[in-house]
Amino acid sequence: KAGVTQTPRYLIKTRGQQVTLSCSPISGHRSVSWYQQTPGQGLQFLFEYFSETQRNKGNFPGRFSGRQFSNSRSEMNVSTLELGDSALYLCASSRGTSGGDGDEQYFGPGTRLTVT
Amino acid sequence: QQQVKQSPQSLIVQKGGISIINCAYENTAFDYFPWYQQFPGKGPALLIAIRPDVSEKKEGRFTISFNKSAKQFSLHIMDSQPGDSATYFCAASSGFIGAGNMLTFGGGTRLMVKP
Repeated sequence: KAGVTQTPRYLIKTRGQQVTLSCSPISGHRSVSWYQQTPGQGLQFLFEYFSETQRNKGNFPGRFSGRQFSNSRSEMNVSTLELGDSALYLCASSRGTSGGDGDEQYFGPGTRLTVT
Repeated sequence: QQQVKQSPQSLIVQKGGISIINCAYENTAFDYFPWYQQFPGKGPALLIAIRPDVSEKKEGRFTISFNKSAKQFSLHIMDSQPGDSATYFCAASSGFIGAGNMLTFGGGTRLMVKP
């Protein structure tokens, strides 16, 4: 069974630009979560989508947004990039239900975003 | 309330020894506690997870011990191997409707197993 895939793997952008990252979840998984990983702040939750609906959002500015498509693939967008947005952006997929293995989250390899 | 505190930040263990990483949480709504292993340049990989209805779970060389009253849980790696050298993260989430599967992570422990 294929794992979570993320594209692109690496990105270099300039301050003020915007960026879109893509995530394809494991087949059968309807939940996609996004996390930001930095050396200073660690792993922080951005948002989670289930069946095209955002169920939860972390404490990030409105410049960070996302969406999910009917095939469960998800994209996240960061507008007006700042230097502090440089990070590894991780996508995780799960069945999205409570109990059993429903909330086991499996991470992709991440997209390394560098803002210059 | 949402914080998960992890210790130690770094750990050096001899090959064959036991590695122990500890986590503590405050939010009593947490009901799912996974551990992740991350190698440089890779995403975190789910290692083992536990729910509050059991006090211990073992999978191969990896064991989670859970103390609900103390709101603490720990990862034990038995017979540690150089290939176990990685960063380990504990995490917690709540299964309440609307929680949206949000994992709250500890700060990570960088483990080095010396040959």
